[in-house]
Amino acid sequence: GQSLEQPSEVTAVEGAIVQINCTYQTSGFYGLSWYQQHDGGAPTFLSYNALDGLEETGRFSSFLSRSDSYGYLLLQELQMKDSASYFCAVSPNTGGFKTIFGAGTRLFVKA
Amino acid sequence: NAGVMQNPRHLVRRRGQEARLRCSPMKGHSHVYWYRQLPEEGLKFMVYLQKENIIDESGMPKERFSAEFPKEGPSILRIQQVVRGDSAAYFCASSPAGTENTEAFFGQGTRLTVV
Repeated sequence: GQSLEQPSEVTAVEGAIVQINCTYQTSGFYGLSWYQQHDGGAPTFLSYNALDGLEETGRFSSFLSRSDSYGYLLLQELQMKDSASYFCAVSPNTGGFKTIFGAGTRLFVKA
Repeated sequence: NAGVMQNPRHLVRRRGQEARLRCSPMKGHSHVYWYRQLPEEGLKFMVYLQKENIIDESGMPKERFSAEFPKEGPSILRIQQVVRGDSAAYFCASSPAGTENTEAFFGQGTRLTVV
């Protein structure tokens, strides 16, 4: 089976850097994705790591280490609008293309 | 190109009634996924469909829940004889064929309230 673990809540101040970790147990997967979801809104795709290493997209970066079963999302120059829930997700390669999501990390950005 | 369209956005049903949730995928997408989200929780996979086929329904409750994606028209998630525990947000996502689903595009969800 597959499971992902991430902290339930993180608080940071505007302008700071925050790292949201994700550890997973899965027999095999194509890659690790990150999604953002504001209250009452739809999840929106942020990034995807198929290979180990860092992927950078503007203020957001994502990292994957398959050997450590670990990944993280890095948010820089935090803004108030970054307050949201962040989900890591894996797409298992065990047949089918469903995506399995973690329970989410709620990020609070303070002034 | 319109995104994934779900309707209704909000649905209230009395216990025992049926709920029908619709999802029109993005243009050109033939893969549809349904997820359920309880308050303060992550998204739980329910079912993965392609046109006229259920590919993976491992997350669907065995009773009262069904899903279809006909050749023409939207995908439908149907919940019969709803109970209070069915109250949740139901999200649909779509992706193109022939990909490993590196990115799923989500609709705005249907928030079902069972009273």
